[in-house]
Amino acid sequence: EAGVTQFPSHSVIEKGQTVTLRCDPISGHDNLYWYRRVMGKEIKFLLHFVKESKQDESGMPNNRFLAERTGGTYSTLKVQPAELEDSGVYFCASSQKRTGFFVEQYFGPGTRLTVT
Amino acid sequence: AQSVTQLGSHVSVSEGALVLLRCNYSSSVPPYLFWYVQYPNQGLQLLLKYTTGATLVKGINGFEAEFKKSETSFHLTKPSAHMSDAAEYFCAVSDYSGAGSYQLTFGKGTKLSVIP
Repeated sequence: EAGVTQFPSHSVIEKGQTVTLRCDPISGHDNLYWYRRVMGKEIKFLLHFVKESKQDESGMPNNRFLAERTGGTYSTLKVQPAELEDSGVYFCASSQKRTGFFVEQYFGPGTRLTVT
Repeated sequence: AQSVTQLGSHVSVSEGALVLLRCNYSSSVPPYLFWYVQYPNQGLQLLLKYTTGATLVKGINGFEAEFKKSETSFHLTKPSAHMSDAAEYFCAVSDYSGAGSYQLTFGKGTKLSVIP
């Protein structure tokens, strides 16, 4: 079974440009999470989808970030326009939706975004 | 709000020596606690978790951790370090409610180096 995949693995863009990150969760996983690690800081939660619906987007830093999950499969995270402080590693994770049981979040390798 | 403190951003041990990575947390509700490991160019992998029950939990690759409520700690240990243990380790906490989805709050991570 394929794990969580993320594309691209690295992206270098200039301030003011737009970048779109993609996450493909494990097939059948309804929960999809985005996290971000800014250099030297902790990994922080950005948002959570259940299928195509945003369940919790309390961690999104500002309105320059737009996340979508059309059809409840893969998800994209767009940053427009990018700022220097957006640099970091963006992780995606997915898990099954099972109430009453603990379910593990499976993480992708991350996308390293550098804004110059 | 929950938080996690990992003491030491870098830890070096000799091969065969004890590994001890420290984690303290704060949580207003009974926490679920996790240790994740990230090997180079890979995603985060769940090493072990504490949910309920026995406070000493065993994980993969010979690691274990003990939940100490009175000390709000969840330190990670391994009796004998191997070269393959060199990686970055993250402690995380969650207020998992059993509803099948949850948000993780991470510490800043500890890079473990193993000296031959």
